[in-house]
Amino acid sequence: DQQVKQNSPSLSVQEGRISILNCDYTNSMFDYFLWYKKYPAEGPTFLISISSIKDKNEDGRFTVFLNKSAKHLSLHIVPSQPGDSAVYFCAASAGNEGAQKLVFGQGTRLTINP
Amino acid sequence: ETGVTQTPRHLVMGMTNKKSLKCEQHLGHNAMYWYKQSAKKPLELMFVYNFKEQTENNSVPSRFSPECPNSSHLFLHLHTLQPEDSALYLCASSPQGAGEKLFFGSGTQLSVL
Repeated sequence: DQQVKQNSPSLSVQEGRISILNCDYTNSMFDYFLWYKKYPAEGPTFLISISSIKDKNEDGRFTVFLNKSAKHLSLHIVPSQPGDSAVYFCAASAGNEGAQKLVFGQGTRLTINP
Repeated sequence: ETGVTQTPRHLVMGMTNKKSLKCEQHLGHNAMYWYKQSAKKPLELMFVYNFKEQTENNSVPSRFSPECPNSSHLFLHLHTLQPEDSALYLCASSPQGAGEKLFFGSGTQLSVL
């Protein structure tokens, strides 16, 4: 049973517009959520995170929103740039396990069109 | 450069071969991980080491054998693999503790013929 789901395998957005990537989870014990970005031939790199005590976290062009009642989080990128084209992974962890037991989604490939 | 180096970047092996993947981290972290990424599937945690001790084996077949001689180095020994084991194998490290993020290497793309 997949506890973290990214239901859109791909997303295409015009440069300068907003990109919204979605992630759903089923485990109500998850209390820390992260987004990773992966370019081809490279490992994933950390992008932004959010704790369950917050509903929003912002870092420059990137904002993550958390809706605990819906068990849903989203990553907003605005404005989108060609360098944002990558695969984005959502991940979640529970309690004090932290990075030890991150559960990942299957990823969404974002393409930013000039 | 994330501070986590994996070698080789690419590996092709037959089902009867024995090979090893190597990972080295220069970040002073205490925890190291092996993940598997198959096409269109989530990253799957395989093994976790804390202070050189294995703390997690996520039901991984015995044809995958990890080794962690010290906190900076991690190996994955491979033997008698199957074609379905072809995947990207990612090493990661983290400081120990809750909510810490992972630092990944670039991975080894493995093809089993």
